[in-house]
Amino acid sequence: GAGVSQSPSNKVTEKGKDVELRCDPISGHTALYWYRQRLGQGLEFLIYFQGNSAPDKSGLPSDRFSAERTGESVSTLTIQRTQQEDSAVYLCASSLGGGGRVGQPQHFGDGTRLSIL
Amino acid sequence: AQSVTQPDIHITVSEGASLELRCNYSYGATPYLFWYVQSPGQGLQLLLKYFSGDTLVQGIKGFEAEFKRSQSSFNLRKPSVHWSDAAEYFCAVGAYTGFQKLVFGTGTRLLVSP
Repeated sequence: GAGVSQSPSNKVTEKGKDVELRCDPISGHTALYWYRQRLGQGLEFLIYFQGNSAPDKSGLPSDRFSAERTGESVSTLTIQRTQQEDSAVYLCASSLGGGGRVGQPQHFGDGTRLSIL
Repeated sequence: AQSVTQPDIHITVSEGASLELRCNYSYGATPYLFWYVQSPGQGLQLLLKYFSGDTLVQGIKGFEAEFKRSQSSFNLRKPSVHWSDAAEYFCAVGAYTGFQKLVFGTGTRLLVSP
């Protein structure tokens, strides 16, 4: 597609359940980023992929959070044993490159709004 | 570590009036600076970016921003606001640490009154 696509757009689940969020980046974009946006706050960096590897996972808030990327394309963010504080909008972004290509703007999807009951 | 401060949480501007949204950053080297806009229920759209060169940068939708190194600022401006500009605006600083990591401010919500 023309832009970054995220699914689902909304997800409501019960506390303790696992959830999986999906991101389809812009074709040809090798760098992919996940952010979390809590209500009324800015964006928190979660993880960065260059190709299929994740050189920086420093933003993942706990070991309940994990992410993977396959085929230098689709990425999934998985949250296990969800807690109410996980409620947020999860945004994915992609850009043309990371290493060696500074200044490339990140292009964002519309996000997944996750609500934990 | 880099950081971004957007001191105004909310701003209300009359339609047709001028706008300035403030952004101050903290970074030890020359920063890459961005302004993004987020409409309700949508992702972030890039308005403009500064890397080097001319300190006054032009963006989409009639926005511009001026980089002032001495003040560590990158304020966003628009001469005449339209009702469709009502949204949340985020300033971000990018630093190359093996990859480009963006640090965002907490955002300024713009309300446009008739």
